Amino acid sequence: EIVLTQSPATLSLSPGERATLSCRASQSVSSYLAWYQQKPGQAPRLLIYDASNRATGIPARFSGSGSGTDFTLTISSLEPEDFAVYYCQQRSNWPHTFGQGTKLEIK
Amino acid sequence: QVQLQESGPGLVKPSQTLSLTCTVSGGSISSGDYYWSWIRQPPGKGLEWIGYIYYSGSTYYNPSLKSRVTISVDTSKNQFSLKLSSVTAADTAVYYCAREGGGMDVWGQGTTVTVSS
Repeated sequence: EIVLTQSPATLSLSPGERATLSCRASQSVSSYLAWYQQKPGQAPRLLIYDASNRATGIPARFSGSGSGTDFTLTISSLEPEDFAVYYCQQRSNWPHTFGQGTKLEIK
Repeated sequence: QVQLQESGPGLVKPSQTLSLTCTVSGGSISSGDYYWSWIRQPPGKGLEWIGYIYYSGSTYYNPSLKSRVTISVDTSKNQFSLKLSSVTAADTAVYYCAREGGGMDVWGQGTTVTVSS
């Protein structure tokens, strides 16, 4: 099973700042990595698939990069609605595992 | 647009079987382009992928749950279902169904299942 490790566990930033979230895989997942945003009481929402492709309707301030074992989700300028928990997920190998999440909180 | 809706009992007794159904609307489960997955999230914790089914009936289950999980599909009803046997309090969670292609792009709203006597 591929283990995904996200860092940091919590990120405290202010609106307008740039956020950089990391996801590291225990073995290569090629580019088969997705990012999700989850707000309290809601289902996760797909932001990025295959490492760098924005899902339908996702604002351009969200971008993804990386390949192999190291991946990054960048939010260029934080909006108030961006404060949430973010998960990465790999689909290179079964089972399709998730990272433990990064909580993005308002500073 | 495609929508998913989970349904099933919100309370299950220990040692019994949890049964949930996901109804797909606005699209066909037989389209062949997607896997149809179940994911769960214990209270205050992260996401755990349970397993998937393809419209043809092929499945893959998370090894950590494999001995207790069965996922089935009914293409005539555009539904897929989850059964988890011998449940304990550790199976208390929000259970989601989702469509999985390049990523999980469509999710149900989730249904809370509590295991308690």
